[in-house]
Amino acid sequence: NAGVTQTPKFQVLKTGQSMTLQCAQDMNHEYMSWYRQDPGMGLRLIHYSVGAGITDQGEVPNGYNVSRSTTEDFPLRLLSAAPSQTSVYFCASSSQYSNQPQHFGDGTRLSIL
Amino acid sequence: ELKVEQNPLFLSMQEGKNYTIYCNYSTTSDRLYWYRQDPGKSLESLFVLLSNGAVKQEGRLMASLDTKARLSTLHITAAVHDLSATYFCAVDISDTGTASKLTFGTGTRLQVTL
Repeated sequence: NAGVTQTPKFQVLKTGQSMTLQCAQDMNHEYMSWYRQDPGMGLRLIHYSVGAGITDQGEVPNGYNVSRSTTEDFPLRLLSAAPSQTSVYFCASSSQYSNQPQHFGDGTRLSIL
Repeated sequence: ELKVEQNPLFLSMQEGKNYTIYCNYSTTSDRLYWYRQDPGKSLESLFVLLSNGAVKQEGRLMASLDTKARLSTLHITAAVHDLSATYFCAVDISDTGTASKLTFGTGTRLQVTL
């Protein structure tokens, strides 16, 4: 049981490039979320999904797109990378049971030059 | 807009001592979560607190929730070096009724010294 799997673990991009961060979960969770973590700050919600085909914006959605075509996968797309998007990105998933936490992937460390 | 504040931001404590981390939030919620993060690692769930007066304990850590005061505490008893990490509280106010849209505090970096 892998839990939440994120790829790649590390990535360096040039300003203006685009890329997709992959996230997959094998726990049949309804809910999935993307967060970014910057030094000295807590995690901030980028986008989230309450089920296949349903997504919504979080606190810091600008510059990012998401889609949820299957329950398992929730990719995050950077449309035109900017240095301000240098961060660690975490994907998380959770079930419909209120007594369960969100489970986090290992993160993707992204640097934009 | 929901605000979640933790204090202190940094805590250096000696082994064997007790201390409390505080988490205040600005909007009514009955779902609060505590996580631990080691440097360069992911977040590990510690506690799920779902109602006013909820108290959970695991080893040297005990968490409580006062929804009326919008306050959660994480109490550390007789700290040991292995507890050195950053601790985050997070609140969910979404209408899903579960942990789906968390707002995090800025974290408390705990350093336990000999």
